[in-house]
Amino acid sequence: EAGVTQSPRYAVLQEGQAVSFWCDPISGHDTLYWYQQPRDQGPQLLVYFRDEAVIDNSQLPSDRFSAVRPKGTNSTLKIQSAKQGDTATYLCASGSGNNNQAPLFGEGTRLSVL
Amino acid sequence: GDSVTQTEGLVTLTKGLPVMLNCTYQTTYSPFLFWYVQHLNEAPKLLLKSSTDNKRTEHQGFYATLHKSSSSFHLQKSSVQLSDSALYFCALIGNNYAQGLTFGLGTRVSVFP
Repeated sequence: EAGVTQSPRYAVLQEGQAVSFWCDPISGHDTLYWYQQPRDQGPQLLVYFRDEAVIDNSQLPSDRFSAVRPKGTNSTLKIQSAKQGDTATYLCASGSGNNNQAPLFGEGTRLSVL
Repeated sequence: GDSVTQTEGLVTLTKGLPVMLNCTYQTTYSPFLFWYVQHLNEAPKLLLKSSTDNKRTEHQGFYATLHKSSSSFHLQKSSVQLSDSALYFCALIGNNYAQGLTFGLGTRVSVFP
């Protein structure tokens, strides 16, 4: 089966620029996660969807970050005005409603903000 | 809320030796535990997932047993290889699904010849 697909793989921005990340989850997976992983740190949850509904976005910096999953399939994460502190790898993972199915990750988007 | 604790930040050892990475958790709900491995410049990949209480699960020479009595899911391998050098994350989903997948801080394993 096809895995989680993310694009782009890399992005380099100047501070203040906007960027969008796209995620295509595994077919049939109802849950979708966006994580931020700074270099040499663990993944930190930004937002979590079940179908099209946001379950938890408490860690998403709402003034500059937004995430949508309008049809409960693909998802887009957007940074409106990037800061150097946003430099990290952005990981998307998807899973099924059956809790015993571990979420699986895409290859990530590596963002550098200069 | 849910939380996962990994006590070792860095483990260094020689090829062929055994390794154990600690993982303990807190959740109000019945837990599902996972170990993910992340090699340099790659995404986390699923290594193991928990089975029923006190049952051992194994994959690629690694093994772990969920012990609900001690809230633990330690990862072990009897003989490490150079290719096992990576970041290892323990992660939890509580069966209420409210918090999704919660990660520990990770343990970096460095294996030397």
